[in-house]
Amino acid sequence: DGGITQSPKYLFRKEGQNVTLSCEQNLNHDAMYWYRQDPGQGLRLIYYSQIVNDFQKGDIAEGYSVSREKKESFPLTVTSAQKNPTAFYLCASVPDRSSYNEQFFGPGTRLTVL
Amino acid sequence: AQTVTQSQPEMSVQEAETVTLSCTYDTSENNYYLFWYKQPPSRQMILVIRQEAYKQQNATENRFSVNFQKAAKSFSLKISDSQLGDTAMYFCAFRSETSGSRLTFGEGTQLTVNP
Repeated sequence: DGGITQSPKYLFRKEGQNVTLSCEQNLNHDAMYWYRQDPGQGLRLIYYSQIVNDFQKGDIAEGYSVSREKKESFPLTVTSAQKNPTAFYLCASVPDRSSYNEQFFGPGTRLTVL
Repeated sequence: AQTVTQSQPEMSVQEAETVTLSCTYDTSENNYYLFWYKQPPSRQMILVIRQEAYKQQNATENRFSVNFQKAAKSFSLKISDSQLGDTAMYFCAFRSETSGSRLTFGEGTQLTVNP
């Protein structure tokens, strides 16, 4: 089955630790995205990548880092510099830059900082 | 920068009735695309319906339809014959042609369908 997978589903981190969230897609999509979801604030864009080995900051990139070494994978690292990392994180992908195409979403990762 | 506003944080409707969710947006661009996504309790985001701004005809997908008013920058979602499975958070989203495939989301409306 084609789709987007995110792991783990739940993640707990101690303050001061970096943690990496996984996002993998087998849809052969060019572009991938990371969103953060907080109650009452909708989805906010963290980073996105239109092509392998290239990525751009979104609206709330501070305290986060990404890499795009393979087309299928777009991992997100939440660093200790992120002041309030507890949130629900969603990964998405889209076939290409065509504006009509919908974004396909993964099931999400709930990150909790203890 | 584009903004998307959903002014109804929560709504409820009785099963089999009709409900309309509101969305307004702000943009200076002429060509763009609008989407409604649904996020049920599982938290999986699912596309409900989409509209291209250059099309005057309102999009329809089974029980879901939109009222797209370009001049007013309004994009409301109508759900007919509401079902219990429609209970979810609904997000309105905007994408301009110049932003590639980036989406800007509204804050969401939590819809509860009551039996």
